[in-house]
Amino acid sequence: AQSVTQPDIHITVSEGASLELRCNYSYGATPYLFWYVQSPGQGLQLLLKYFSGDTLVQGIKGFEAEFKRSQSSFNLRKPSVHWSDAAEYFCAVNFGNEKLTFGTGTRLTIIP
Amino acid sequence: GAVVSQHPSWVICKSGTSVKIECRSLDFQATTMFWYRQFPKQSLMLMATSNEGSKATYEQGVEKDKFLINHASLTLSTLTVTSAHPEDSSFYICSALTAPNQPQHFGDGTRLSIL
Repeated sequence: AQSVTQPDIHITVSEGASLELRCNYSYGATPYLFWYVQSPGQGLQLLLKYFSGDTLVQGIKGFEAEFKRSQSSFNLRKPSVHWSDAAEYFCAVNFGNEKLTFGTGTRLTIIP
Repeated sequence: GAVVSQHPSWVICKSGTSVKIECRSLDFQATTMFWYRQFPKQSLMLMATSNEGSKATYEQGVEKDKFLINHASLTLSTLTVTSAHPEDSSFYICSALTAPNQPQHFGDGTRLSIL
């Protein structure tokens, strides 16, 4: 069955520390992969996407993600977080039918 | 580019009334739009796919007579919650595609509260 998993419901990191948010999917082929960020009461903003090619993709706001086919993963990273990065992060997958399947989200808290 | 506008951002109404939410693509034409529902502290659940000029495709478990979707033009899709009840209170978000298999671009959502 096709599914998307974000194992971490809530992550707390110190400002300036590095960040990695995990995302795994279940699918027989390579899907289209996305990371979105949502601030409270707002819609979703696209951080980055992977369709094909270079498995390390760069996004906005200093984020990057790496696609690992062998692990069916698409983890989001940032070398140094800022207080403004506090938000909800969603991994989303297009399994080839235009629809997006979202993970359950990871809430990121930044401590000074 | 690829701006999606959703209106209203917040609506409160009495039980039994109908509420219409608009989703507009401001700087592109969107043949396909999507409507999602999000409960507090939860993920987005796809309700339906809206295609310009044709009937919407609803996900399993979504009442099509309750949630009426109209996509009459390439820049506008509307979601009407008919005879709304408190259990329909939620955050509704729309998105639009600029082209097949491209990222979806999201509106800012509508907070619907039914009293």
